[in-house]
Order: sequence, then structure tokens, then C-alpha cells
Amino acid sequence: ETGVTQTPRHLVMGMTNKKSLKCEQHLGHNAMYWYKQSAKKPLELMFVYNFKEQTENNSVPSRFSPECPNSSHLFLHLHTLQPEDSALYLCASSQDKGLAPHQYFGPGTRLTVL
Amino acid sequence: QKEVEQDPGPLSVPEGAIVSLNCTYSNSAFQYFMWYRQYSRKGPELLMYTYSSGNKEDGRFTAQVDKSSKYISLFIRDSQPSDSATYLCAMGGGNQFYFGTGTSLTVIP
Repeated sequence: ETGVTQTPRHLVMGMTNKKSLKCEQHLGHNAMYWYKQSAKKPLELMFVYNFKEQTENNSVPSRFSPECPNSSHLFLHLHTLQPEDSALYLCASSQDKGLAPHQYFGPGTRLTVL
Repeated sequence: QKEVEQDPGPLSVPEGAIVSLNCTYSNSAFQYFMWYRQYSRKGPELLMYTYSSGNKEDGRFTAQVDKSSKYISLFIRDSQPSDSATYLCAMGGGNQFYFGTGTSLTVIP
């Protein structure tokens, strides 16, 4: 595997389910990010981790819970989501610490909440 | 007011045309400016970035930044069908980082 990988690529869940998104970076980078991409809207930065420590949390609802066990892996735990949470969730990493200009993105997880 | 404004298009041009994509912003704290390209069913990839006003060229692509007008542009010369994608501007500084909505571009052979 190279670059940034995300699993699953597609996920359909009900509002009462609990699921997790996984991201892994194979680049030896020091920072990792979660973004939400909705149609006709800018990418929304959700969380930033530098060296496994969360440094940014842009007023994201508590139904989204990130976890960064080491500098290569990032998870987004989901529970009691709403239909408006349906979107493409992108993971990214960067060599430089958080909010770096050069970020490497994974292909995303397409989430549908019924 | 949005931090970054970008016309979503869609923009459709014939092969070989010069394409101009633009973004405006309101925050004077922004110090670095990027253009990302996103193909269908892929994540964005960095195309160009710059820290200063002026032009930066890379092959058929030229990024232009005018900090006094808070305006950035991406020019694509001799556009190719493989340039068909969504182009996202992004900018950061002052512990902030924002993307535009993206402009969808189709280059018709």
C-alpha cells in the first residue's frame, strides 16, 4: 500500500448504528486530518492531529469521535448520526505539523445515513 | 461572508483552450495559497502552492496571487481532456485553513 488509504470506501448506516472509518498513511508523516466534503460546499476541516495529539476540533458534533493511536493511523468513530451527515469523509496527512499547505489525501469514504 | 469564494461552474472548454480559475478571499491573515485538483472518486491532490504575491509557473499551469486585491487565479494553457476535474483553491495562515467550493472543469476533445 502506498500513500493514504481509507476503509471502507462506501458505508451505509442507520441513525442508531455505530461504525468507524479507518485511515492509514504510509508516508511517514507527522500530522493527520479528517475533512467532510458535501456537494456544493467547501471541504470542512473536522480534526487535526500532530504527533498523535489533537490540535484542532472545529466545533464538530460529539457524534463524531476521532482516535489517533499512532502517527500512521486515524479513526473516526460514528454514532447516532443524522441524514445531513451523509457526505464524503476524507483523510489527509502532511509531513509538517497541522494546517500545512501540502496535504496528501486518501480517496475518501462515501457515507450515507438513512 | 464566506472566507473563500469560488465559482463552482461547471466550466466546459474545447481542448487547447486557456482556462482561468479564480478565488477571492477576505482574510488578510492568509499567507499561503494552494490549488488542489480532484478527479472523480479520488481525493484532492496538490497542484501548486505559493507564499507570495506574483506568478508561479509549472509546465502548463500558472498560479497567480494578488494579495492587495485578495484574489488568486490558476491558468491552464493548452488544456487537455485529462485536465477534466474539480479544482479547489485553498489558503491558510494565522492558524486557519480554508478551501473553496471547487470549480468543475470539463475539457472537450
